[in-house]
Amino acid sequence: DIRMTQSPASLSASLGETVNIECLASEDIYSDLAWYQQKPGKSPQLLIYNANSLQNGVPSRFSGSGSGTQYSLKINSLQSEDVATYFCQQYNNYPNTFGAGTKLELK
Amino acid sequence: QIQLVQSGPELKKPGESVKISCKASGYTFTDYAMHWVKQAPGKGLKWMGWINTYTGKPTYADDFKGRFVFSLEASASTANLQISNLKNEDTATYFCARNTDYYPYVMDAWGQGASVTVSS
Repeated sequence: DIRMTQSPASLSASLGETVNIECLASEDIYSDLAWYQQKPGKSPQLLIYNANSLQNGVPSRFSGSGSGTQYSLKINSLQSEDVATYFCQQYNNYPNTFGAGTKLELK
Repeated sequence: QIQLVQSGPELKKPGESVKISCKASGYTFTDYAMHWVKQAPGKGLKWMGWINTYTGKPTYADDFKGRFVFSLEASASTANLQISNLKNEDTATYFCARNTDYYPYVMDAWGQGASVTVSS
């Protein structure tokens, strides 16, 4: 199975800041990468697919980038409602696998 | 709007069985595959498998072969997950999640989760 390594495991940022979360795949996943946001006590919600395509209804302050084995999620101008855990998922190889998550808190 | 509504929390003893339901609304149920995802307390997401909602054919990830059964009540737009011979390590929240119509294994709508606690 492809291993997805997220970093950092947790981070603390201030309102209005820009935040970057990284995801490293154990092999090339050819941009078959999605990002999900899970707010405390809620179910995950799809943010990004195909590494950089924004899901309908997701605010434009979220963006994704990367290729090969290295991917990132960027949140511009952090809002209080962005407090959540973020997961990356590769779907290039069977079975699809998730990263362990990055917990984002407000400073 | 698209909704996946799951059944309520369950408290079970080891060796018992549990059935979790996931009722879909707001779209044509048989047009989209349904996935099941496990989240143990304080842990990440683990994909369990999926079911073809048109044919009813299930596919199980390796770690979920044997005690786990995906089924449908298509007339009721409902997908079910049954777990038999429950073990302590089955304690988790189980999510159903709809596949997108553009990429396999990408999940664009999720149920609220069904909590299963296994304890003697």
